[in-house]
Amino acid sequence: GAGVSQSPSNKVTEKGKDVELRCDPISGHTALYWYRQSLGQGLEFLIYFQGNSAPDKSGLPSDRFSAERTGGSVSTLTIQRTQQEDSAVYLCASSPGRQNYGYTFGSGTRLTVV
Amino acid sequence: AQSVTQPDIHITVSEGASLELRCNYSYGATPYLFWYVQSPGQGLQLLLKYFSGDTLVQGIKGFEAEFKRSQSSFNLRKPSVHWSDAAEYFCAVGAQTGANNLFFGTGTRLTVIP
Repeated sequence: GAGVSQSPSNKVTEKGKDVELRCDPISGHTALYWYRQSLGQGLEFLIYFQGNSAPDKSGLPSDRFSAERTGGSVSTLTIQRTQQEDSAVYLCASSPGRQNYGYTFGSGTRLTVV
Repeated sequence: AQSVTQPDIHITVSEGASLELRCNYSYGATPYLFWYVQSPGQGLQLLLKYFSGDTLVQGIKGFEAEFKRSQSSFNLRKPSVHWSDAAEYFCAVGAQTGANNLFFGTGTRLTVIP
């Protein structure tokens, strides 16, 4: 597509429920990133996918967080047993290649855990 | 450890006035440096980036930034601010080799008064 698409744009969930956030990167972009933006904070790196390589999961804050990328394209970030501190904007970005930092960000998913 | 500091949380300027947003970084080697802008409800848009060469880089929307190695700084400037520049600005640093994610500062919110 023309840009990075994220869905849903807003999600309200009850504490303890699981949520799935979707990212559809720009067609042809091999690199895909997930970041979390909490109120008053900068962007926190979560996970990085590059082509068919094993993802860099070093930023995932706990084992409740996981992500997959199917067919080198669409990615899903899953948060299990959500907690109130998971409330944040989750941003996805894609770029053309391994060392090309031409990130294009999506508009994000605002997650609220009540 | 890598870190990015944006010392100004919020800046207010008059339309037509000049602007300088500060960014200092801590990094083990010469980094890649970036400035992003985020309008309300939007993802981040790349303003400019420094990889190597001329330390004064030009970006979109009339912005420029200067890399000063001796001061570990990468300040963003604009000679005359427009009301549409009101947004959140993020400085980011990344590795030239190895790690693939960017480290972001906590952002500076710019308010423009008529």
